Amino acid sequence: EADIYQTPRYLVIGTGKKITLECSQTMGHDKMYWYQQDPGMELHLIHYSYGVNSTEKGDLSSESTVSRIRTEHFPLTLESARPSHTSQYLCASSEAAGVGPNTGELFFGEGSRLTVL
Amino acid sequence: AQSVTQLGSHVSVSEGALVLLRCNYSSSVPPYLFWYVQYPNQGLQLLLKYTTGATLVKGINGFEAEFKKSETSFHLTKPSAHMSDAAEYFCAVSRGGATNKLIFGTGTLLAVQP
Repeated sequence: EADIYQTPRYLVIGTGKKITLECSQTMGHDKMYWYQQDPGMELHLIHYSYGVNSTEKGDLSSESTVSRIRTEHFPLTLESARPSHTSQYLCASSEAAGVGPNTGELFFGEGSRLTVL
Repeated sequence: AQSVTQLGSHVSVSEGALVLLRCNYSSSVPPYLFWYVQYPNQGLQLLLKYTTGATLVKGINGFEAEFKKSETSFHLTKPSAHMSDAAEYFCAVSRGGATNKLIFGTGTLLAVQP
């Protein structure tokens, strides 16, 4: 049973607002990820982290930023939301390095669907 | 470099019919292979995975997949479709390791007709 939580599940805001999408996991995973997904479309990796104070940009350029101050917490922030940021954002985590074969299996949260008006 | 190709972005079957979702991969090392399912407005849920050992892998909800190294394939099957199987299905590959990332296919939307 995966224990990774995202809040809010749904958010509708106006242009120019600052938003933070929260993601927390209770599995002790070192690695955490943010994906962006438009409806019915493929997943795009936008940020990842291999541990505390480690963050990297993913394959798709994003105006969002992330932080990793605690192992279990990986929030994503948009300083000034625009309609082009409307999308679903999926948070995921994977097993710690050195634990098992490190297959890369990801555990996903339920997603945060952001609509910017 | 690794990559995943899912043939058919949309597949439609009748309820009770065989489900076959195709996935081919490329990898320079023995891969780890995954199938995930995504229901509307949900995150991704692991259906099954191949790591080592038996090449026929059974997953949840009656799905199974067979790793065929010679064909570089990992097709997903279910003998009899149910209406509740309608969802998006993603195939993914990784090579493992501490800094490994999962590479996803573009997804296949499965529709089940009554």
